[in-house]
Amino acid sequence: EVQLVESGGGLVQPGGSLRLSCAASGFTFSSYAMHWVRQAPGKGLEYVSAISSNGGSTYYANSVKGRFTISRDNSKNTLYLQMGSLRAEDMAVYYCARSTTVVKDYFDYWGQGTLVTVSS
Amino acid sequence: DIQMTQSPSTLSASVGDRVTITCRASQSISSWLAWYQQKPGKAPKLLIYKASSLESGVPSRFSGSGSGTEFTLTISSLQPDDFATYYCQQYNSYQWTFGQGTKVEIK
Repeated sequence: EVQLVESGGGLVQPGGSLRLSCAASGFTFSSYAMHWVRQAPGKGLEYVSAISSNGGSTYYANSVKGRFTISRDNSKNTLYLQMGSLRAEDMAVYYCARSTTVVKDYFDYWGQGTLVTVSS
Repeated sequence: DIQMTQSPSTLSASVGDRVTITCRASQSISSWLAWYQQKPGKAPKLLIYKASSLESGVPSRFSGSGSGTEFTLTISSLQPDDFATYYCQQYNSYQWTFGQGTKVEIK
């Protein structure tokens, strides 16, 4: 069974940093591209970042470019999102999701999400 | 970035109704479109990919159509489990974008 389990969310002050993790199981993690998508309270879905299966290609939404870094450790079956210079508008539930490829592909499995709260 | 616009934003319907949700892209995305269902407090669930392909395990009352810039999601006979929010998503470009969502409510 495919499982994606996010962790690392919590309360952080504006300007602070946080690292999210997504632990994968039930599939060959190193064969899949991975993504982060967020959802602010009561709002819709917003794409954040993507990484290819071998980690060689990364993509970011303009709203997080230069502040967030996506990475993966295929030996640990884990995806990461390092978030810095956090703003109030970054407050959201962050989901990880997978796709077969990073090019022209949809997200077939999603984790349950981890909540990031940005507040002083 | 490619903008995705869904209509309506909210839809009130009864069990057994036929329901149609529309999604428009700001430029052609061929058939690179997916539909997701999300219930409160839960992760999105894939329903349709490549505009009209039904994901394995998804009931056949869900169907998708369209290409280019205009797409529809149809539920042929609404069931109690279908009351949820639905999102379209384009994956034609590396800036994946979602529609703003359509909430299907009980009438």
